[in-house]
Amino acid sequence: EVQLVESGGGQVKPGGSLRVSCAASGFTFSNYRMNWVRQAPGKGLEWVSYISGSSSDIYYADSVKGRFTISRDNAKNSLYLQMNSLKAEDTAVYYCARGRDGYNGYAAYIYFDYWGQGTLVTVSS
Amino acid sequence: QSVLTQPPSVSGAPGQRVTISCAGSSSNIGAGYDVHWYQQLPGTAPKLLIYGNANRPSGVPDRFSGSKSGTSASLAISGLQAEDDADYYCQSYDSSLSVVFGGGTKLTVL
Repeated sequence: EVQLVESGGGQVKPGGSLRVSCAASGFTFSNYRMNWVRQAPGKGLEWVSYISGSSSDIYYADSVKGRFTISRDNAKNSLYLQMNSLKAEDTAVYYCARGRDGYNGYAAYIYFDYWGQGTLVTVSS
Repeated sequence: QSVLTQPPSVSGAPGQRVTISCAGSSSNIGAGYDVHWYQQLPGTAPKLLIYGNANRPSGVPDRFSGSKSGTSASLAISGLQAEDDADYYCQSYDSSLSVVFGGGTKLTVL
């Protein structure tokens, strides 16, 4: 059974840092592109970042570029998100999600077939 | 402001059929990128509902169906049930190398 379990959320002051983690099990972790998706309280979903299985490809949303760093440890089946220079607008539940990607004959695709339960990050003074 | 546009809310009585639209542009849905749909029940994580425009993962009832045409896509739910009361999100990819979501649609089963 595929399981994704996030941890590390909490309250941090503006300008501070926090690292959230995601422990994966039930599948060959290194074979999958992994993602972080966040959801601000009462708001919709926002993709944050993804990392390929070998860590060779990494992309970020413009809203976090230069402040957040995604990484993974395939030996530990773990995904991380290091968040620096945090702002109030970063307050959200952060979900770890497994990506399924490929090419449909016309264009690339990616979707998220398994999600963790999320970890809440609150940025407030 | 989300890149993909969904109606904020839709509603229907049990047994009825409802559709949720997802409007994009020539840089995402219109560029040939697939559309995927997620269901989020209150207080829970999103769950994949439809992938590749019209495909259902194992375990998703055939009451749920997806379609795509031009720069937009739709999710249809037939035979509405009380447990379908949830938020629904469309998702695609954009030529700016970014994953994009719709703003979400709250489905109320009357």
